[in-house]
Amino acid sequence: EPEVTQTPSHQVTQMGQEVILRCVPISNHLYFYWYRQILGQKVEFLVSFYNNEISEKSEIFDDQFSVERPDGSNFTLKIRSTKLEDSAMYFCASSEHVMATEAFFGQGTRLTVV
Amino acid sequence: GNSVTQMEGPVTLSEEAFLTINCTYTATGYPSLFWYVQYPGEGLQLLLKATKADDKGSNKGFEATYRKETTSFHLEKGSVQVSDSAVYFCALSDRARGSTLGRLYFGRGTQLTVWP
Repeated sequence: EPEVTQTPSHQVTQMGQEVILRCVPISNHLYFYWYRQILGQKVEFLVSFYNNEISEKSEIFDDQFSVERPDGSNFTLKIRSTKLEDSAMYFCASSEHVMATEAFFGQGTRLTVV
Repeated sequence: GNSVTQMEGPVTLSEEAFLTINCTYTATGYPSLFWYVQYPGEGLQLLLKATKADDKGSNKGFEATYRKETTSFHLEKGSVQVSDSAVYFCALSDRARGSTLGRLYFGRGTQLTVWP
């Protein structure tokens, strides 16, 4: 069964460093998303992406964040200069159709900023 | 604005017990409601959904009814199994926002542990 794959499963980085979280969406999907969950808090929407551009972003998604689809298979989230408060589980999702009900999620990347 | 509030966990039950996980919502438009489940080491999976008032979503023995009058979407299962141990997330998407891509609003998640 097709699935969304995220790597790495866990990343530890020093404050101020850049990190890139990687996702391989399901191959025929056209819509891509990033969400995050800080420990003990809600899963929060970060950004959605379609046709090689951002469709919507939340207030969390500031200039420190960027997304890219560098080739036909990967979808990446870059955090330019990590802060302690960026420590969270980051989920990638993809969807074939525009409705969120069809979104498939990856297993998540746990980012720890020290 | 849009938000979801769900029952704080963790919830611990014996096998064959009845499960209820409460979820209430606030929405500005006409939301669709969802329950997602995350098994250990896996991604979020859609468990069930309801797109309008009084709809009942069901899957794998789980049910939830969209109650507009109480703005609720409580998850229930009559007899839980050890394999149901997971984290359960209530979520909504608000179609009235007009977003071309569905944005989901999640609750915090409820950890369910079922003992044999």
